Amino acid sequence: DTEVTQTPKHLVMGMTNKKSLKCEQHMGHRAMYWYKQKAKKPPELMFVYSYEKLSINESVPSRFSPECPNSSLLNLHLHALQPEDSALYLCASSQDPSGTSSNEQFFGPGTRLTVL
Amino acid sequence: EDKVVQSPLSLVVHEGDTVTLNCSYEVTNFRSLLWYKQEKKAPTFLFMLTSSGIEKKSGRLSSILDKKELFSILNITATQTGDSAVYLCAYKTSYDKVIFGPGTSLSVIP
Repeated sequence: DTEVTQTPKHLVMGMTNKKSLKCEQHMGHRAMYWYKQKAKKPPELMFVYSYEKLSINESVPSRFSPECPNSSLLNLHLHALQPEDSALYLCASSQDPSGTSSNEQFFGPGTRLTVL
Repeated sequence: EDKVVQSPLSLVVHEGDTVTLNCSYEVTNFRSLLWYKQEKKAPTFLFMLTSSGIEKKSGRLSSILDKKELFSILNITATQTGDSAVYLCAYKTSYDKVIFGPGTSLSVIP
């Protein structure tokens, strides 16, 4: 299995809803990432998990809450979002967070989120 | 402040042309430079460069890194309409942080 999967593909939610985005990989990768991408802009890093521990939080508002239950799964819990949070949310994984081996990131297809 | 600059931001060429995309960076804790192609969905990985002067090739695409002058180029020869996409350059730091440049939007017309 050489892919990163994300569910759901599309999500529409109100500002008072609570929802979760899910990401899964079975490549044995030990680093997992969440990115936010607005239209016609590059991906912006939100969070990095290395060996299931949060290693980077790019000053993301607390209405976004990441969780890494195990080495294959990464969740992003959403609560009280704003319309400007509407974007494509991308998950990625890479093999070795701190080593010297080839370390390209594999991206999932993304979740298109719309906040009403 | 770390930053990645790409040029041009957009480019229109005819099929069969050769294009060169540029990426320059000013970063701390540089570890590697990455090139991605993004069509309608997620970015797909093209190259990872860590050493200066060593060209990486994949079919009609090639890339090289100059760590002294802090830039990289991506070449595409004999372009095809399927090469139309946004090409993203990103750097990766020692702390596993990945920062993307703004991208170059390439349109290849028949």
